[in-house]
Amino acid sequence: NAGVTQTPKFQVLKTGQSMTLQCAQDMNHNSMYWYRQDPGMGLRLIYYSASEGTTDKGEVPNGYNVSRLNKREFSLRLESAAPSQTSVYFCASSEQGLNEQYFGPGTRLTVT
Amino acid sequence: SQELEQSPQSLIVQEGKNLTINCTSSKTLYGLYWYKQKYGEGLIFLMMLQKGGEEKSHEKITAKLDEKKQQSSLHITASQPSHAGIYLCGAETGNTGKLIFGQGTTLQVKP
Repeated sequence: NAGVTQTPKFQVLKTGQSMTLQCAQDMNHNSMYWYRQDPGMGLRLIYYSASEGTTDKGEVPNGYNVSRLNKREFSLRLESAAPSQTSVYFCASSEQGLNEQYFGPGTRLTVT
Repeated sequence: SQELEQSPQSLIVQEGKNLTINCTSSKTLYGLYWYKQKYGEGLIFLMMLQKGGEEKSHEKITAKLDEKKQQSSLHITASQPSHAGIYLCGAETGNTGKLIFGQGTTLQVKP
C-alpha cells in the first residue's frame, strides 16, 4: 500500500497562474483533508471532505477550490496563484472524522 | 491567533537528556493527537489521547492529557538523534470532525 500520495512534489508558479494539486489514498478512507504549513503557523486546514460527495471549508479556504473526485482522490485547485499561497501543502486521510489522520509527503509550492 | 499553543517553539538538547513539550488549549480537548515531522517530510502519527488523565507510551516517548483535558505534554526520555524533528499537537475542540494544530516544536538532539 502506498498510503497517501501527492503530486507534484515541487512546483513554481508565477502570480496569476493556476494549478491543481493531486492527492490519492489507497486505504479506503472516508475522510480527506488539505492543509497548508507555514513557518511558525503549524498546519492550517484549507478544505476537507468528510465523505465522498461532500466538501467543506476549513480555516483558510480563500483562493482555493477542491474536488472529491471519488473515494480515493481529493484535489486542490489554485485558480489564480498569489505569493501568499507559497507554502507546503499536505493532504491527509482518515477512516472517519477524528480517527488518526495519515499524511502525504507534501507539495512544496512557490509563487513568484 | 493560535487556539492551540505549543511550548517551547524550539529546543536543543544533548543526547541522553530528557525533555518535555507542552500543548495548551483554552478550550476542552475532545481528542489530542501528537505527530512527528522529519524535515521535508509528511507527518507521522505518534499517539492519541482522549480521556482526562490518560497517559500513553511508545518506546521512549510518553504523552499525557491532564484531568481537565486542556493541556497535554510529550516527554522524551534519554533523547537520541533519531528523535530530532518537529513535533506537532493536533486537537478537536468541539464535535466538528476537524483538527486544529499547534505551531510545532522543533527539536534538535546534539550527539
